[in-house]
Amino acid sequence: DQQVKQNSPSLSVQEGRISILNCDYTNSMFDYFLWYKKYPAEGPTFLISISSIKDKNEDGRFTVFLNKSAKHLSLHIVPSQPGDSAVYFCAASAGAGGSEKLVFGKGTKLTVNP
Amino acid sequence: GAGVSQTPSNKVTEKGKYVELRCDPISGHTALYWYRQSLGQGPEFLIYFQGTGAADDSGLPNDRFFAVRPEGSVSTLKIQRTERGDSAVYLCASSTHSLADEGSYEQFFGPGTRLTVL
Repeated sequence: DQQVKQNSPSLSVQEGRISILNCDYTNSMFDYFLWYKKYPAEGPTFLISISSIKDKNEDGRFTVFLNKSAKHLSLHIVPSQPGDSAVYFCAASAGAGGSEKLVFGKGTKLTVNP
Repeated sequence: GAGVSQTPSNKVTEKGKYVELRCDPISGHTALYWYRQSLGQGPEFLIYFQGTGAADDSGLPNDRFFAVRPEGSVSTLKIQRTERGDSAVYLCASSTHSLADEGSYEQFFGPGTRLTVL
């Protein structure tokens, strides 16, 4: 069963508007969450992360929100730019005192139209 | 500085053959990870090294898969008796994270090796 779920395989937005990518998880042991961005034929690139002790983390145009009670996190990109078009992966880790592996969702393909 | 590098970038082999995939992590990174990504899926964890030892190999699908990191730097993923279902992109990542601190969990990924088993 999938412990990290990204239920939207794709998302299309207009340049300048907000992109919202969603992610749900089932494992209560996860305490660190990350978003990675991936272009074709390249490895995933780290974008932003959040610890379970926070509910928001912001870095420039990117903000990640965490709702622990709902086991839900989202990535907001504002304003969206055509160069943001890529596949975005949500990942989670139960690293504190445990395994360091990342558990990934299936990804959401974001297309930002000029 | 140099990022994580992986060789070869592409590998085509026949069913039943043996393959080795190499990963050069970022210099100084003590942790090294192997993942594989099948079409339409996210990366799936295989094995994690802290230094020379495998700290977690729970993701290796069966005993045909084996990985080593003898000097705590370069790692080799070895697949015996390859099967068509092994076809995937094999990703390597490294990080500075250690069990002694609560630092970043950021893992830096290489470009991957695309393995095709005919």
